[in-house]
Amino acid sequence: QSVLTQPPSASGTPGQRVTISCSGSRSNIGSNTVNWYQQLPGTAPKLLIYINDQRPSGVPDRFSGSKSGTSASLAISGLQSEDEADYYCATWDDSLKEVFGGGTKVTVL
Amino acid sequence: QVQLQESGPGLVKPSETLSLTCTVSGDSIKSYYWSWIRQPPGKGLEWIGYIYYSGSTNYNPSLRSRVTMSVDTSKNQLSLKLTSLTAVDTAVYYCARAERLATGFDYWGQGTLVTVSS
Repeated sequence: QSVLTQPPSASGTPGQRVTISCSGSRSNIGSNTVNWYQQLPGTAPKLLIYINDQRPSGVPDRFSGSKSGTSASLAISGLQSEDEADYYCATWDDSLKEVFGGGTKVTVL
Repeated sequence: QVQLQESGPGLVKPSETLSLTCTVSGDSIKSYYWSWIRQPPGKGLEWIGYIYYSGSTNYNPSLRSRVTMSVDTSKNQLSLKLTSLTAVDTAVYYCARAERLATGFDYWGQGTLVTVSS
């Protein structure tokens, strides 16, 4: 069971907006920044969002992140077929470890 | 372009020790944090620990008693040792880089599958 809670799945049609939630506690999200990773099938994770809402160079602005209190969200606007992947939130926990969410599988219908 | 490449045995027997190496090319390993992260087949990600280029470490409390990480700046390599393996240690093992602890892992290796089986 993961320290951070994500919905196991999310879906949308091309062009739609999909939002993925990540729920934690005061000891992790509540006191640290959140990062998001995209993992395409059979590949290593890729950093998608860092420090809550920052996009690394090359990540489309269709992807956006936010954080409020002990929760964070990843939004994908203008959903595309290539966005079909697993998405993980992650943050530092005050128990001195990096923690990940269980992952959300995004399906493009 | 920064590249990370994990190497090591694909099959290890129960109770034995896993030794993996991550070779970094395209940049120095100095001034970065280097983590090992694993992913059991069909499951999520688990952070194993990190090592700073200076050699300071921080391990996941759930694995601390079995984990040792080291770094060789002359070879631009980092290493992972995990002892007393069981089937639950079967996973894809990734090495990954972070510029700072809060900024996320910006470069990852392709991962190497380690199967624990007799």
